[in-house]
Amino acid sequence: EVQLVQSGAEVKKPGESLKISCKGSGYTFTNYWIAWVRQMPGKGLEWMGIIYPRDSDTRYRPSFQGQVTISADRSISTAYLQWSNLKASDTAMYYCARPSAGLDDAFDIWGQGTMVTVSS
Amino acid sequence: EIVLTQSPGTLSLSPGERATLSCRASQSVSSNLLAWYQQQPGQAPRLLIYGASRRATGIPDRFSGSGSGTDFTLTISRLEPEDFAVYYCQQYGNSRTFGQGTKVEIK
Repeated sequence: EVQLVQSGAEVKKPGESLKISCKGSGYTFTNYWIAWVRQMPGKGLEWMGIIYPRDSDTRYRPSFQGQVTISADRSISTAYLQWSNLKASDTAMYYCARPSAGLDDAFDIWGQGTMVTVSS
Repeated sequence: EIVLTQSPGTLSLSPGERATLSCRASQSVSSNLLAWYQQQPGQAPRLLIYGASRRATGIPDRFSGSGSGTDFTLTISRLEPEDFAVYYCQQYGNSRTFGQGTKVEIK
């Protein structure tokens, strides 16, 4: 079964750093892009960026560039989303998702989501 | 960035009724690369439609997508109880953006 399994919920303080993960299984991880999507409480979906694990080619939505870092470790089939200086406004559910084939494809596989809460 | 505007914001209907959801783009969507997703409370989104009109694997045929250019529609021919949810459109032809969502609620 093709699936993406994300790391568990996190509670952090403003200014702290954080790295959440998304592990792919049931398919060849390096053959597919992995995207990250934010959903703030009670709000809609926002595409943040995408990475190709084979060569780490990474594209960011301009509004997220410099705010987060997307990376991948192909040896363990895992993609990451990282913050170095969390803000309260980073509180959200974060999903990883996989386009069905190439870069220009819809997301047919989604992780279960990681809830990140940033509060003093 | 292409802005997607979904309407209405909320649709109040009864089971068995037809639902028509709209997604309008601020500029033409390349190659009709537009998808629709369903999100139930507390769950991840699920792909329903891609390429504007192609049903994803396992999606019932009561869901259909249509449209081209800047105007797209998701139709649910007869609402089942499990169809009451939030629906998002997404364009993936020019980077990616999502619409703000349409909630289909029980009347």
